[in-house]
Amino acid sequence: AQTVTQSQPEMSVQEAETVTLSCTYDTSENNYYLFWYKQPPSRQMILVIRQEAYKQQNATENRFSVNFQKAAKSFSLKISDSQLGDTAMYFCAFSHRVGGATNKLIFGTGTLLAVQP
Amino acid sequence: NAGVMQNPRHLVRRRGQEARLRCSPMKGHSHVYWYRQLPEEGLKFMVYLQKENIIDESGMPKERFSAEFPKEGPSILRIQQVVRGDSAAYFCASSLATGTRNEQYFGPGTRLTVT
Repeated sequence: AQTVTQSQPEMSVQEAETVTLSCTYDTSENNYYLFWYKQPPSRQMILVIRQEAYKQQNATENRFSVNFQKAAKSFSLKISDSQLGDTAMYFCAFSHRVGGATNKLIFGTGTLLAVQP
Repeated sequence: NAGVMQNPRHLVRRRGQEARLRCSPMKGHSHVYWYRQLPEEGLKFMVYLQKENIIDESGMPKERFSAEFPKEGPSILRIQQVVRGDSAAYFCASSLATGTRNEQYFGPGTRLTVT
């Protein structure tokens, strides 16, 4: 069974600094997707970034980038130039690829990130 | 473009009553997923549906819970004879059937409180 582990329950960063959130996963599959979702106090789940396992290049979305290490089954999220609006719970998620559509998402327990002014 | 819609946003039920949660996927999306988030926890998969079909219900409790996604209308998650332990936020997500960008887009959630 696939599992996702986030070992940092809480983290804090100063505004404009860089922070890295850790995530490891376990799977025997070869084709899968990895995601980072953000859940601010509004509780809305917002997709931050996605990575396809077959792509070696790390995904980047503006200030957000990942360090995907397939052999180590590691998928960390780096947030550069942190902003107050980045304060949220961050969830790492895994989905194995079924045909052309994703299947269920398996979430980690989350990391609560606080950006300090 | 309207996103995933869920209603009601907040639902209060007494123990033993039924709860019906509705989810309208994004336009063009034919795949719907339901997740449950207990207080202070991450989201847990419940069920994955396509139109008129349940594809994966491995996360659904064996009793009292059911889900449907009819040909017309929203997807419904139904909880019969609710108990206090059912109090949680229930999220619906939808995705496209094919294509390279198969991310799941989430609705705002329904917060169920059982008194």
